[in-house]
Amino acid sequence: DIQMTQSPPSLSASVGDRVTITCRASQSISNYLNWYHQKPGKAPKLLISSASSLQSGVPSRFSGSGSGTDFSLTITSLQPEDFATYYCQQSYRTPLTFGGGTTVEIK
Amino acid sequence: QITLKESGPALVKPTQTLTLTCSFSGFSLSTSGVAVGWVRQPPGKALDWLALIHWDDDKRYSPSLKSRLTITKDAAENQVVLTLTNVDTVDTATYYCAYSRFTSRSSGYDFSFWGQGNLVTVSS
Repeated sequence: DIQMTQSPPSLSASVGDRVTITCRASQSISNYLNWYHQKPGKAPKLLISSASSLQSGVPSRFSGSGSGTDFSLTITSLQPEDFATYYCQQSYRTPLTFGGGTTVEIK
Repeated sequence: QITLKESGPALVKPTQTLTLTCSFSGFSLSTSGVAVGWVRQPPGKALDWLALIHWDDDKRYSPSLKSRLTITKDAAENQVVLTLTNVDTVDTATYYCAYSRFTSRSSGYDFSFWGQGNLVTVSS
């Protein structure tokens, strides 16, 4: 199985901050990397697919980059609604695997 | 508009079989390139992929649970059913079904629409 490792596990930030979350795959996955966020008690929401393709309706302050084994999700100017847990997921091959999550908390 | 909704029991006893149904609308599971998957999330923990069924009935399972999982579809009824046999307390989780397009077999899945989730507690 391909292991996905996210860092940091959690972070505290303020509204307006720039935040970067990283995700590392245990082997090369090309650009088969998706990002989701999840608010408490809600289903995950797809933000970015194929490492850098922003989903329709997702604000442009979200961006993704990377290929191979190292990926990042950046949120420029963090907004109150962005406080959530973020997950990466590899779709290079089944079994599909998710990272352990990064919780973005209010400082 | 694509929607999915999970239904099933809230409480299951250890050793029993858990059956969950995903009812969906806004797409057809007979359409090429479409799949429906199941993902679970134990309380306070990360997401864990369980299974996928493709439009042509091709199925994929998590290796760690493959012996206990079965996924089936009824395209005419717009439903996907997941069964998990011999449940244990570690199977306590919120179970989600989700829609995905895929670019090639076994890769390119992104879950763009999700159900609200069905919390299942395994307890005697």
